[in-house]
Amino acid sequence: AQSVAQPEDQVNVAEGNPLTVKCTYSVSGNPYLFWYVQYPNRGLQFLLKYITGDNLVKGSYGFEAEFNKSQTSFHLKKPSALVSDSALYFCAVRDLTTSYDKVIFGPGTSLSVIP
Amino acid sequence: DVKVTQSSRYLVKRTGEKVFLECVQDMDHENMFWYRQDPGLGLRLIYFSYDVKMKEKGDIPEGYSVSREKKERFSLILESASTNQTSMYLCASSLVRWDSPLHFGNGTRLTVT
Repeated sequence: AQSVAQPEDQVNVAEGNPLTVKCTYSVSGNPYLFWYVQYPNRGLQFLLKYITGDNLVKGSYGFEAEFNKSQTSFHLKKPSALVSDSALYFCAVRDLTTSYDKVIFGPGTSLSVIP
Repeated sequence: DVKVTQSSRYLVKRTGEKVFLECVQDMDHENMFWYRQDPGLGLRLIYFSYDVKMKEKGDIPEGYSVSREKKERFSLILESASTNQTSMYLCASSLVRWDSPLHFGNGTRLTVT
């Protein structure tokens, strides 16, 4: 079965420090991977995606993600965290095994950036 | 920029009422989705539509129905609201491409009393 795991419910980081939000996946075939961010009382916003090509993908707001096929991981990173990055982050994968367009979301990781 | 608009941010309904949640997108996307989001359970797909009048059940369709009479509009219907349908409801749209991200509305927080 296709699945996405985010092993940490909560990540705390000091402002200015690098941040990492972890994601691992299990899919059949090539993965189509996405990261989304959700600010309080808002919908999800697309940050970046990996489809093919370079393993390091750059996205919005200075975020990037590293795809690692051997470890089946797609970790979200940022070199220097801002307080405004505090939000809920979701990793997602497109499920290509179903007859319809299905996106599987991880459970989410709450990021707190401490001033 | 794609805009997905959900008609209500907050709704309070009584048990047994028929509830309509409306969603409109302005980018001519073929796919539209309804998710519900609950603490500890993440996002769960209720229904998906890939074209006008076409729909597919998601993971938790029980107690819900949908309507897509026009390409830009996708409605979620709770035929007889129950307290366990209190939740955040998120609408999304996308192109029919595997690499196309989902674009979400701001959500409707529904409380059924």
